Amino acid sequence: AQSVTQLDSQVPVFEEAPVELRCNYSSSVSVYLFWYVQYPNQGLQLLLKYLSGSTLVESINGFEAEFNKSQTSFHLRKPSVHISDTAEYFCAVTRPPYAGGTSYGKLTFGQGTILTVHP
Amino acid sequence: DAMVIQNPRYQVTQFGKPVTLSCSQTLNHNVMYWYQQKSSQAPKLLFHYYDKDFNNEADTPDNFQSRRPNTSFCFLDIRSPGLGDAAMYLCATRTSGSPNEQFFGPGTRLTVL
Repeated sequence: AQSVTQLDSQVPVFEEAPVELRCNYSSSVSVYLFWYVQYPNQGLQLLLKYLSGSTLVESINGFEAEFNKSQTSFHLRKPSVHISDTAEYFCAVTRPPYAGGTSYGKLTFGQGTILTVHP
Repeated sequence: DAMVIQNPRYQVTQFGKPVTLSCSQTLNHNVMYWYQQKSSQAPKLLFHYYDKDFNNEADTPDNFQSRRPNTSFCFLDIRSPGLGDAAMYLCATRTSGSPNEQFFGPGTRLTVL
């Protein structure tokens, strides 16, 4: 079984400040990792993903996340946030196809972190 | 643009009155998912279709049913909604050839009176 823990339920920050949203996962096999963003009353949008290769992945809007296998973490960072980054962020995990098992293709989500950027 | 569409965006129903939520996609993806997301909680998978094969999660209540008449459409039927079924319902799609990236619709917010 897999599980995801997002360590902070809410993160308030001032505009242009750096931010880190923390995510830890638990799995007995290799995983794919994702960050999704959800704006109020909207669906989830994929922000970035780690499948393999370089452990540092970046999004087009300045977010980055680093896969750390030894610490089983996939923290999301942005060096300077904007008001428009205010949203809820979900970390998610799934099994790769080669890992087998019945949970292939199913996303397990963390509880979410509400990022609020203040002017 | 290829996308996942959910109708209606907001649905109000009465306690015990059946309701159907709709999802359509222009991505031609063969896997479709229904999630329930209650306020301030993570999305919870209810069931998914792999082509026409229906896969129910073990803890999905019998009150929830689904239909997928073709590749493009998928419906969520709630036979007798209770107050606890008020939530955002999210539809997502994936192609079996993709490394597990799911594409989400905007959701339908269900209110039960």
